[in-house]
Amino acid sequence: GENVEQHPSTLSVQEGDSAVIKCTYSDSASNYFPWYKQELGKGPQLIIDIRSNVGEKKDQRIAVTLNKTAKHFSLHITETQPEDSAVYFCAAPPGGSYIPTFGRGTSLIVHP
Amino acid sequence: NAGVTQTPKFQVLKTGQSMTLQCAQDMNHEYMSWYRQDPGMGLRLIHYSVGAGITDQGEVPNGYNVSRSTTEDFPLRLLSAAPSQTSVYFCASSPDRGSYNSPLHFGNGTRLTVT
Repeated sequence: GENVEQHPSTLSVQEGDSAVIKCTYSDSASNYFPWYKQELGKGPQLIIDIRSNVGEKKDQRIAVTLNKTAKHFSLHITETQPEDSAVYFCAAPPGGSYIPTFGRGTSLIVHP
Repeated sequence: NAGVTQTPKFQVLKTGQSMTLQCAQDMNHEYMSWYRQDPGMGLRLIHYSVGAGITDQGEVPNGYNVSRSTTEDFPLRLLSAAPSQTSVYFCASSPDRGSYNSPLHFGNGTRLTVT
């Protein structure tokens, strides 16, 4: 099965700094990589995803990069704001499966 | 558009009691699933369903039952609650059966405490 490792588990930054969260996966057949944001008391929500036929995708202040050779993908948040404080999860479904394996999450804290 | 609705939001049970956590989605999604979230453990899959009448076990199914009689509803039953089942439970759905490119839509969770 798929093994997804996510680092760091906690990330503390000052407002305006950039934040990077990295995930590695084990199944080379995986081809879809979503990132979810979970705010306190709520369920995770998709913020960005990337498919294996592209190396980078951007949406305003957030971006995701994918290195299929090294089997890792990263979430980049620029110009962080206090409302970016949340838990972020990466996920990767094993090749041929629609059931994602989640990373253990990263708690991002943005200090004003 | 309500999305995925979970009820109740909070529940306290005594050991040995049974209960059903409700999940409903109004997006006509084929795939539905239940996760539990515990500190430091991420999201662990309990059971899932790829359509009405079809269910299967996930990573941590023991102590839980599910059924899928309609596309919209996917209840999770705790047969005899144990303190180890204290957790936050999330229901999630996805539009495609057998698709490998669709994100999950999550409800806002049920926080369960078993004393």
